[in-house]
Amino acid sequence: DIQMTQSPSSLSASVGDRVSLTCRASQTINIHLHWYQQKRGAAPKLLIYEASKLQSGVPSRFSGSGSGTDFNLTISSLQSEDFATYYCQQSYITPRTFGQGTKVEIK
Amino acid sequence: QVQLVESGGALVKPGGSLRLSCVVSGFTFTGYYMSWIRQAPGKGLEWVSYISIGGSTVYYADSVEGRFTISRDNVKNSLYLQMNDLRDDDTAVYYCAREGGPNWADHWGQGTLVTVSS
Repeated sequence: DIQMTQSPSSLSASVGDRVSLTCRASQTINIHLHWYQQKRGAAPKLLIYEASKLQSGVPSRFSGSGSGTDFNLTISSLQSEDFATYYCQQSYITPRTFGQGTKVEIK
Repeated sequence: QVQLVESGGALVKPGGSLRLSCVVSGFTFTGYYMSWIRQAPGKGLEWVSYISIGGSTVYYADSVEGRFTISRDNVKNSLYLQMNDLRDDDTAVYYCAREGGPNWADHWGQGTLVTVSS
């Protein structure tokens, strides 16, 4: 199975900060990497698919980059509604696997 | 708008069975693969199963292979997960999800809680 490792596990940031989250795959996955946001008590929500494509309706302050094994999710200016846990997921091969998540908290 | 509504979650004893349902609306069901994804309490996400549009292609995680069966009714716009021989570690919120691509989950239901406990 492909292991997905996210870093950091958690971070504290302030509204307006630029935040970058990392996801690393245990082997190359080309661009088959997707990002989700999950708020407490809610279902996950797709933010980015195929490494860098913004899902319809998602604010442009979210962006994704990377290919191969290393990927980033960047929030250009953190808003109060962005405090949540973020998961990456690979679809290069089955089983489709998720990272363990990065929790973004208020400083 | 796209809606997915799960039902069927319950408290069940180890070894028991449960059938989850997901009724969808707001999109053409026959245009999409569908999936079940679960999340144990306080834990991360696990892709449990997916099914192709016609139902001929299915996938199961190793952890549920042989115990769970995914199916769909394209007339009723519904997705199902038959869960047999349930174990304590099957306890989770089970989400129904539409697959974009396919290969990623672009719309999710609100989830239904399955608790396996004696």
